[in-house]
Amino acid sequence: DQQVKQNSPSLSVQEGRISILNCDYTNSMFDYFLWYKKYPAEGPTFLISISSIKDKNEDGRFTVFLNKSAKHLSLHIVPSQPGDSAVYFCAASAGEASGGGADGLTFGKGTHLIIQP
Amino acid sequence: EAQVTQNPRYLITVTGKKLTVTCSQNMNHEYMSWYRQDPGLGLRQIYYSMNVEVTDKGDVPEGYKVSRKEKRNFPLILESPSPNQTSLYFCASTARYGYTNSPLHFGNGTRLTVT
Repeated sequence: DQQVKQNSPSLSVQEGRISILNCDYTNSMFDYFLWYKKYPAEGPTFLISISSIKDKNEDGRFTVFLNKSAKHLSLHIVPSQPGDSAVYFCAASAGEASGGGADGLTFGKGTHLIIQP
Repeated sequence: EAQVTQNPRYLITVTGKKLTVTCSQNMNHEYMSWYRQDPGLGLRQIYYSMNVEVTDKGDVPEGYKVSRKEKRNFPLILESPSPNQTSLYFCASTARYGYTNSPLHFGNGTRLTVT
């Protein structure tokens, strides 16, 4: 049973436009969400996170929105740049709710974002 | 430079030949973890360790062992590798698991092929 779903395996966006990557989750105990970015031949790197007490977190060109009632989060990249071409993983955990839980992050399958020049 | 170092980066081996993938972090992190990445399946956790001498199973622990004798090292051991363990493996660490200001830091991966 997939608890974190990224239903778009790939997404192509024109340079300068907005990229929107979506993620849905099923576990209502998840209270901490993160986005990781992965280039080929490298490990994932942390991009941005959001706690369930917020509905928006912004860091430069990157904004994550959380809709708890819909169990949905999205990552917005504005404007999109060629260096944003990568695989993006959505991840979730029940860490904060369980006081630093030990269950690990649950990752989605990833979305390959391609920024077209 | 703060980093998680995995070795080797690439490994080709045969079924049944024991191997160890090393992982070391220089950030004094308490929490370390191993993941495998497979096409269409994303990242799945194999084992994790909350601190020295404390390890526990993740989602896909079968066929793997780990040890945490020192804080900085968390080796992944395949006692008898099989072809279904052909995968891309990532080691990760974080200072204190489960806190919003403490995301995972990943190594660059080890691509293992078992023939």
